[in-house]
Amino acid sequence: EVQLVQSGAEVKKPGESLKISCKGSAYSFTSYWIGWVRQMPGKGLELMGLIYPGDSDTRYSPSFQGQVTISADKSINTAYLQWSSLKASDSAIYYCARVAFGSAYCDYWGQGTLVTVSS
Amino acid sequence: EIVMTQSPATLSVSPGARATLSCRASQNVSSNLAWSQQKLGQAPRLLIYSASTRATGIPARFSGSGSGTEFTLTISSLQSEDFAVYYCQQYNNWPLTFGGGTKVEIK
Repeated sequence: EVQLVQSGAEVKKPGESLKISCKGSAYSFTSYWIGWVRQMPGKGLELMGLIYPGDSDTRYSPSFQGQVTISADKSINTAYLQWSSLKASDSAIYYCARVAFGSAYCDYWGQGTLVTVSS
Repeated sequence: EIVMTQSPATLSVSPGARATLSCRASQNVSSNLAWSQQKLGQAPRLLIYSASTRATGIPARFSGSGSGTEFTLTISSLQSEDFAVYYCQQYNNWPLTFGGGTKVEIK
């Protein structure tokens, strides 16, 4: 069964850095794009960007370009989302999702990582 | 950026009744449209892709239709486990974009 398992909840202060992870299993990790999706409290879904772990090709949605960094380590089937300097407005649930082969919809989702940024 | 608009924002439906959810794209997205369900406190789950194809394991009471800019998700007979928020997503153009969601609640 395809699984995406994300790292646990984080509580950080403004200005701190953070890297969260998403580990894929039971499929060829290097052959599917992985996306990161933000869900702010009580709000909808926003795609932040995609990475192709096979060659680390990365695409960012315009709203998130320069705000976060998406990376992957294919040797351990893990994708990452990182911030260099968190803001209170980064408080949200972050989901990783596998993008269907040959298409661009999200077919499997991780369980989500809650990030809370508060002084 | 293609804007996806879902209506209504909230739909109150009795168990066993039919629910019809709408999604409109600001530009033509062909049939590159997916629907996902999100229950409270859970991750989204894919229901429909290519506008009308059910994902693996999705019951037949869920059906999708439409193409171009107008799409519909129909739940033929609502079960208790179907009360949730539903999102449409276009994947025809970058950036991929989601609608704001329709909450289906018990009437």
